[in-house]
Amino acid sequence: NAGVMQNPRHLVRRRGQEARLRCSPMKGHSHVYWYRQLPEEGLKFMVYLQKENIIDESGMPKERFSAEFPKEGPSILRIQQVVRGDSAAYFCASSPTGRNEAFFGQGTRLTVV
Amino acid sequence: DAKTTQPTSMDCAEGRAANLPCNHSTISGNEYVYWYRQIHSQGPQYIIHGLKNNETNEMASLIITEDRKSSTLILPHATLRDTAVYYCIVRSSTGANNLFFGTGTRLTVIP
Repeated sequence: NAGVMQNPRHLVRRRGQEARLRCSPMKGHSHVYWYRQLPEEGLKFMVYLQKENIIDESGMPKERFSAEFPKEGPSILRIQQVVRGDSAAYFCASSPTGRNEAFFGQGTRLTVV
Repeated sequence: DAKTTQPTSMDCAEGRAANLPCNHSTISGNEYVYWYRQIHSQGPQYIIHGLKNNETNEMASLIITEDRKSSTLILPHATLRDTAVYYCIVRSSTGANNLFFGTGTRLTVIP
């Protein structure tokens, strides 16, 4: 059973471009969580999704950021018109239900130049 | 979810037990205590969780006080690879819930 897979592991984007981060949860997991970690800072919750539904997006910036978890395929975190301040590690976690332990991927490191 | 308080940093000698405390005095009856760790810049790693009974697995032991207001994560024989930031998180068992990470304890295992 493969773990949570995130790709790409590293992503470089120029200011103003779009960044798409993908997260494939563990098999049988229908709950996905996205976190952001700025350099030298802690993990900040962004959004929690269940298949085709957003459960909690209280940590998501109101503009430029969106997330989805379609019925088929990975969860996508999309950042439009990236700025330097978006440079961070983005981690995804999955769990079978919203009440079990969640398992994390190795993250996508986004660098905006 | 209830808040947790952890020391900012701790040192432990290699081979000795590492005891990481966590205070969660406002925990409610349906909230679990979870522990995760993050080694350097890797993804957080699940360690253990419990409700009110002590728990043990291949990685660690979790001791929860009888009043549930605090807990201790014990790594029985710390190795250099256990150097990491350890997070204590309180999470409700009802409904679907996310995990909120605080600042954690930076554990340094010293040779």
